[in-house]
Amino acid sequence: QQQVKQSPQSLIVQKGGISIINCAYENTAFDYFPWYQQFPGKGPALLIAIRPDVSEKKEGRFTISFNKSAKQFSLHIMDSQPGDSATYFCAASITSGTYKYIFGTGTRLKVLA
Amino acid sequence: DVKVTQSSRYLVKRTGEKVFLECVQDMDHENMFWYRQDPGLGLRLIYFSYDVKMKEKGDIPEGYSVSREKKERFSLILESASTNQTSMYLCASSQRDRGLIWGNEKLFFGSGTQLSVL
Repeated sequence: QQQVKQSPQSLIVQKGGISIINCAYENTAFDYFPWYQQFPGKGPALLIAIRPDVSEKKEGRFTISFNKSAKQFSLHIMDSQPGDSATYFCAASITSGTYKYIFGTGTRLKVLA
Repeated sequence: DVKVTQSSRYLVKRTGEKVFLECVQDMDHENMFWYRQDPGLGLRLIYFSYDVKMKEKGDIPEGYSVSREKKERFSLILESASTNQTSMYLCASSQRDRGLIWGNEKLFFGSGTQLSVL
């Protein structure tokens, strides 16, 4: 119930391609879904986030697609660049009454030049 | 620029040693967290604190304790280090929502401490 399942574990994409990372959850009480980006040697940093009242959120080349009925959400990176090579974590939380995020297991993305 | 600073980037300790991991934030955040990052397991919450001298257990508190004597500093303590505590430890902080709604505050992470217990 509390898990967030993330796939794939690793991903290799050519420069200019589209990177897609998927997450699925069970707990329908989750109502906030952020993505964190982590470069080697650094801590994760918030990349983009979505609430379930919208089906899509776009910030530059990064888009979150949200499917409430399927309990799935995904991160799309358009025109992927070598500088996007990082580990990406999805997460979910309940914005009232709890303190914590449930993180996915992470996806290591490598964008080839 | 906001900053969460962890005292050591790499640490090597012996089994049975008492280990202190220190974290300092300069953003006057109320909330501070300790996570553990392991390959294939993601980020798992060990302990968190929402105020000075307050602490709450996360998902995997066994073998750990914490201390928060000052608002800006949150320490993670391994009372008797074991090899299964070899991991990357990440400290994070967040600003509490004034409406006291949890769960959507942006987390600011430190760069992590890679702890090896031999």
